[in-house]
Amino acid sequence: GENVEQHPSTLSVQEGDSAVIKCTYSDSASNYFPWYKQELGKGPQLIIDIRSNVGEKKDQRIAVTLNKTAKHFSLHITETQPEDSAVYFCAASTIGSGGSNYKLTFGKGTLLTVNP
Amino acid sequence: GAGVSQSPSNKVTEKGKDVELRCDPISGHTALYWYRQSLGQGLEFLIYFQGNSAPDKSGLPSDRFSAERTGGSVSTLTIQRTQQEDSAVYLCASSSGWGPKETQYFGPGTRLLVL
Repeated sequence: GENVEQHPSTLSVQEGDSAVIKCTYSDSASNYFPWYKQELGKGPQLIIDIRSNVGEKKDQRIAVTLNKTAKHFSLHITETQPEDSAVYFCAASTIGSGGSNYKLTFGKGTLLTVNP
Repeated sequence: GAGVSQSPSNKVTEKGKDVELRCDPISGHTALYWYRQSLGQGLEFLIYFQGNSAPDKSGLPSDRFSAERTGGSVSTLTIQRTQQEDSAVYLCASSSGWGPKETQYFGPGTRLLVL
């Protein structure tokens, strides 16, 4: 089955700096890659996603890149702010055992701390 | 509009007891997922519903775990004879369709502690 590796597990940056989180996946059939942000005591919230027909997608200070050949994708946050502090999860969508459904396989998360 | 809701938000139980966790998906979402989030383990897929049927139960860790969905809406995850290793956050998500690129929206989770 799919395996998603995420690095680093923790990341500390100064306010205003950029943060980069990287993920690799194993199943070449995966074609949808969302990123979730999880704040303490809350469920994961989708912040950006990328589909396999594009290599990069931006939304204000957040961008995601995808390299299908190398099977890796990355989250880039520019001009970080203290409110960006949270756990970030990457995921890859893979076909489930039902044969017609899809499920997300998640990386283990990155704890991002933005210091004022 | 309302998002995915889950209840209870926290549950403390004694080893050996049964627990029921409830998920109310976004209105109109036909696909529903349960995930488990354990410390240091990330999010693990448990089960998927399309309507009332569950074609993918591959993530359920043992036969003590079961889930049902009635009326294509609310779902209940039941854990029988709870064990301490069942302590985790149980997250529910829903999506409007079942395809590979459907966005899954998560609820706040139920934090389960088995003493």
